[in-house]
Amino acid sequence: GAGVSQSPSNKVTEKGKDVELRCDPISGHTALYWYRQSLGQGLEFLIYFQGNSAPDKSGLPSDRFSAERTGGSVSTLTIQRTQQEDSAVYLCASSLDFGEQYFGPGTRLTVT
Amino acid sequence: GENVEQHPSTLSVQEGDSAVIKCTYSDSASNYFPWYKQELGKRPQLIIDIRSNVGEKKDQRIAVTLNKTAKHFSLHITETQPEDSAVYFCAASDSGSARQLTFGSGTQLTVLP
Repeated sequence: GAGVSQSPSNKVTEKGKDVELRCDPISGHTALYWYRQSLGQGLEFLIYFQGNSAPDKSGLPSDRFSAERTGGSVSTLTIQRTQQEDSAVYLCASSLDFGEQYFGPGTRLTVT
Repeated sequence: GENVEQHPSTLSVQEGDSAVIKCTYSDSASNYFPWYKQELGKRPQLIIDIRSNVGEKKDQRIAVTLNKTAKHFSLHITETQPEDSAVYFCAASDSGSARQLTFGSGTQLTVLP
């Protein structure tokens, strides 16, 4: 079946602009995660959604970052007033309850 | 919170030799330890995982060992092939309120033909 998809694949934005990144998880997966991967670095946890529970936002680096998950499926990560240090690949993953996490292809964000 | 350290950051081996990557974790409550392989420009993919109720798990040329007392776990790749060249990430989590994975910083493995 279809895997995790993300859009856009690449996004270039000017410093100070807002951006929205989209994640479509695997159908039926109840858990959805957002990670950030800076160049040559590991994956940094940002936020986690599980079913209808309140999201775990403990990894969000600042209040400029927020995420929503509508209808228990699609998720949007929003970064307001982007800064150059926000440049990274943003990866989304989904899993069935607490099973293996399947990653999407990522969105490469460049803030100029 | 959890902290995962991974070594080495880069590793070069001759084709056919073995490669070992080591990780340590800080949270004794962690009980799930996956390893992901990420090829250049591609998404991370799970290659093997281990839960804390076992000490070793094998899948063909790949094995993972876990020492809960010492809080470290290792990835072993035998008979390495050029297609094993990639970045490998270890991770740890507990199955408490959320399966939040804390990742190591990654190991760039290069298998030389």
